Amino acid sequence: GQQLNQSPQSMFIQEGEDVSMNCTSSSIFNTWLWYKQEPGEGPVLLIALYKAGELTSNGRLTAQFGITRKDSFLNISASIPSDVGIYFCAGQEDTNAGKSTFGDGTTLTVKP
Amino acid sequence: SAVISQKPSRDICQRGTSLTIQCQVDSQVTMMFWYRQQPGQSLTLIATANQGSEATYESGFVIDKFPISRPNLTFSTLTVSNMSPEDSSIYLCSARGADGSYNEQFFGPGTRLTVL
Repeated sequence: GQQLNQSPQSMFIQEGEDVSMNCTSSSIFNTWLWYKQEPGEGPVLLIALYKAGELTSNGRLTAQFGITRKDSFLNISASIPSDVGIYFCAGQEDTNAGKSTFGDGTTLTVKP
Repeated sequence: SAVISQKPSRDICQRGTSLTIQCQVDSQVTMMFWYRQQPGQSLTLIATANQGSEATYESGFVIDKFPISRPNLTFSTLTVSNMSPEDSSIYLCSARGADGSYNEQFFGPGTRLTVL
C-alpha cells in the first residue's frame, strides 16, 4: 500500500522557536491533511490542503501542498507549551476507496 | 465539521470476552472508518464501515474478529471479539463527508481497551 515518510520523528524545542515538519510520498495525493493528537484524545484536524502549491494558514500554523503532489510541510511559528503533542500528516487519493494514508507522526516537545 | 463521540471511553476486559464500541456522529456523513492505534504509534485502518452492507476490511483484519455494523449515516459499532492481550490498544472511529466536505476526515476521542 501507500507509504508516507514523516520527519522528523521527534523535536525538542524552546518556547518561541519556529517548527517545521514534512511528509513525502512515492505516490501522488489529491488531498493532504495535518492533525494534532494530545494524550488521551483523538487526532484533531488542523489544516486541509486540496491543490498543488496551496499554502494555507490556521493561526500560527502554516501548511503547504507540494507542487509535485508528493509532499507537504507544516510550520508552527513562535511555539508555545500547548503546542506539545503528536502531529500526523495524511494523504488521500481520489481512488483507493477514499482511504487516507497516515504518516508515523512527529512528537513535539516545547520547553518553557 | 463533524463531532464524533465514542462509548465507552475506556474498558478493562478479560481474555476471551467481547467488547462493542459505539460511534455516534452529530451529522450525516458519507464514510465511516475504524482505526487502531498503539500508544505512540500511527493509525492503522481496520475497516471502512459501509451503510447497509458489509464492512470493507484491510489486510490482516477479518470480520469474525472485528464485526462492524453501520445501520445509518450517523452511527456505527465495532466489536472486538474473543479478546486477547494483543488486542489492547486505542480504537478510533472516524468519519468523512459531513456537510459536503468530502475530503475532511474527523476522529472521535478513542476507546482505550486493556485486555487482561
